[in-house]
Amino acid sequence: AQSVTQLDSQVPVFEEAPVELRCNYSSSVSVYLFWYVQYPNQGLQLLLKYLSGSTLVKGINGFEAEFNKSQTSFHLRKPSVHISDTAEYFCAVSAVTGGGNKLTFGTGTQLKVEL
Amino acid sequence: KAGVTQTPRYLIKTRGQQVTLSCSPISGHRSVSWYQQTPGQGLQFLFEYFSETQRNKGNFPGRFSGRQFSNSRSEMNVSTLELGDSALYLCASSLEWDGSNEQFFGPGTRLTVL
Repeated sequence: AQSVTQLDSQVPVFEEAPVELRCNYSSSVSVYLFWYVQYPNQGLQLLLKYLSGSTLVKGINGFEAEFNKSQTSFHLRKPSVHISDTAEYFCAVSAVTGGGNKLTFGTGTQLKVEL
Repeated sequence: KAGVTQTPRYLIKTRGQQVTLSCSPISGHRSVSWYQQTPGQGLQFLFEYFSETQRNKGNFPGRFSGRQFSNSRSEMNVSTLELGDSALYLCASSLEWDGSNEQFFGPGTRLTVL
């Protein structure tokens, strides 16, 4: 079984400032890692994913994440946020073998970008 | 290419009733997964269908069921509705039954149980 922890339920940040959203996971099997974003009254959109290889992953809208196997973390970063980045962000994992597309999500981090 | 569509977008039911939600995946996608999203429990996996077969199931009671048709469209059914079933139900489609694939989510069906 897998579990995902997002320690910060809300992160306020000023526009053009950098931001880091934290994600830690626990799993007895190898996993793929994902970050999704959800805007109000919408479904989820994939920001980026880590499957294998380079531990630094770049995604859409200027986001990037770094996979750290020893710390079982997959933190999301953006060097300069915009008002339009205000949304809820979810970290998720899926098992590499046998799990199909089943995603286990964290509880989400609400990013609020202020002027 | 059209995205994942879910119908209806909003639904109000009373306790004890049953409900059927529909999901049309992206053309060519054979996997459809369903998730329940609530403020208290967050996003929880319900089940996944691939080529008309249920491949994965989450920890939900038997009142929650689903099926997939030969055109990959999927429906989920909830019988004997309870107040706690009020939630946003999201479906996601993917090309294959493989966790490395990107999943595309629909806008969801918001179910309110009175």
